[in-house]
Amino acid sequence: GENVEQHPSTLSVQEGDSAVIKCTYSDSASNYFPWYKQELGKGPQLIIDIRSNVGEKKDQRIAVTLNKTAKHFSLHITETQPEDSAVYFCAASLGGSGAGKSTFGDGTTLTVKP
Amino acid sequence: ETGVTQTPRHLVMGMTNKKSLKCEQHLGHNAMYWYKQSAKKPLELMFVYNFKEQTENNSVPSRFSPECPNSSHLFLHLHTLQPEDSALYLCASSQDINSAYEQYFGPGTRLTVT
Repeated sequence: GENVEQHPSTLSVQEGDSAVIKCTYSDSASNYFPWYKQELGKGPQLIIDIRSNVGEKKDQRIAVTLNKTAKHFSLHITETQPEDSAVYFCAASLGGSGAGKSTFGDGTTLTVKP
Repeated sequence: ETGVTQTPRHLVMGMTNKKSLKCEQHLGHNAMYWYKQSAKKPLELMFVYNFKEQTENNSVPSRFSPECPNSSHLFLHLHTLQPEDSALYLCASSQDINSAYEQYFGPGTRLTVT
């Protein structure tokens, strides 16, 4: 089955700095890569996703890059703000039957210091 | 508000009690999921349902019994739990199990087994 590794497990940055979280996946058949943000007391919520036919996607301060050859993808947050503090999960989904089920990374706790 | 609701939000139960967790989604999705999230542990997929049929059981102990009466409702019946079952139980839904789209998570039920 698919295996997703996420690094780092914790990340602390100063407000205004950039934050980068990296994930690797094992199965080259994976073709959908969502990123979720989990705030305290809430369930994870999608913040951005990318499919395997695209190398980069950006949404305001958040961007995701995908390297299919190396089987890794990264989340980039620029101009970080205290409200970006949360746990972030990457995930990967295989195509075909069962594609709706994602394999999640272990999560990264991001702390943005004001 | 993600369109996925869970009740109760908090539950304390003894090891001999029987209780049920409820999840409801208002998104017209066909796939529903139960996850366990323990402190400092990744999301653990427990059960998957698609069009009311169970498609996956990840070796979950029989003291957890899921029920999916229709595509909008999912229950998790609990009995004879152990203290190590204390965790946040998250419900999620997605379009269907064979399509790679985001999962929508509920806020979770914080379960404490005493």
